[in-house]
Amino acid sequence: QSVLTQPPSASGTPGQRVTISCSGSSSNIGSNTVNWYRHLPGTAPKLLIYSSNQRPSGVPDRFSGSKSGTSASLAISGLQSEDEADYYCSAWDDSLKGYVFGTGTTVTVL
Amino acid sequence: EVQLLVSGGGQVQPGGSLRLSCAASGFTFKNYAMTWVRQAPGKGLEWVSAITGSGVTSYYADSVKGRFTISRDNSKNTLYLQVNGLTAEDTAVYYCAKDNGDDGMDVWGQGTTVTVSS
Repeated sequence: QSVLTQPPSASGTPGQRVTISCSGSSSNIGSNTVNWYRHLPGTAPKLLIYSSNQRPSGVPDRFSGSKSGTSASLAISGLQSEDEADYYCSAWDDSLKGYVFGTGTTVTVL
Repeated sequence: EVQLLVSGGGQVQPGGSLRLSCAASGFTFKNYAMTWVRQAPGKGLEWVSAITGSGVTSYYADSVKGRFTISRDNSKNTLYLQVNGLTAEDTAVYYCAKDNGDDGMDVWGQGTTVTVSS
């Protein structure tokens, strides 16, 4: 089950900034780092942000992550049409002894 | 090139079994934990299972505990997921991923589809 809550959708026009929230609890986000993944159905997910605010090489600096308490967020600035995808947060859960994913957010570029 | 190649999916009847494989290349396989993640039709990503680099410790989602078994053969650079007692709720695309812990799942396989249907 998803124990991390995300808004189902987010949208913006090209060039705008979009922010996606991820709400968890003390056993997951409150105790561990958050990773963000981008997923286009039918393809392999891609790591976008790790350790809450680090970008893997090759990920544009338009993408940024932050964490505070039991919540995290992903920001996409300078929105581009190719940013249309599903975005998921994830963290290790100390109580469940496993990873949990967020409910997922579909980003649409208007 | 770092790569994960997933195989073993297919269509099975309820109660059936499959063994999924994930062949790794381009990195020192034994040094990394590995994870299985799935996506059911119309649903989000769901973590299924993880195993440490040595293979000594494994973890499972409650939804698959007792029915799925994760294992690895470090001599063959291959990760496995034995899936038993399949139900319609297990119908999904199954992905394997290289698990860097706090640094995220940084390499993913292409996925294999498991369909449970009579």
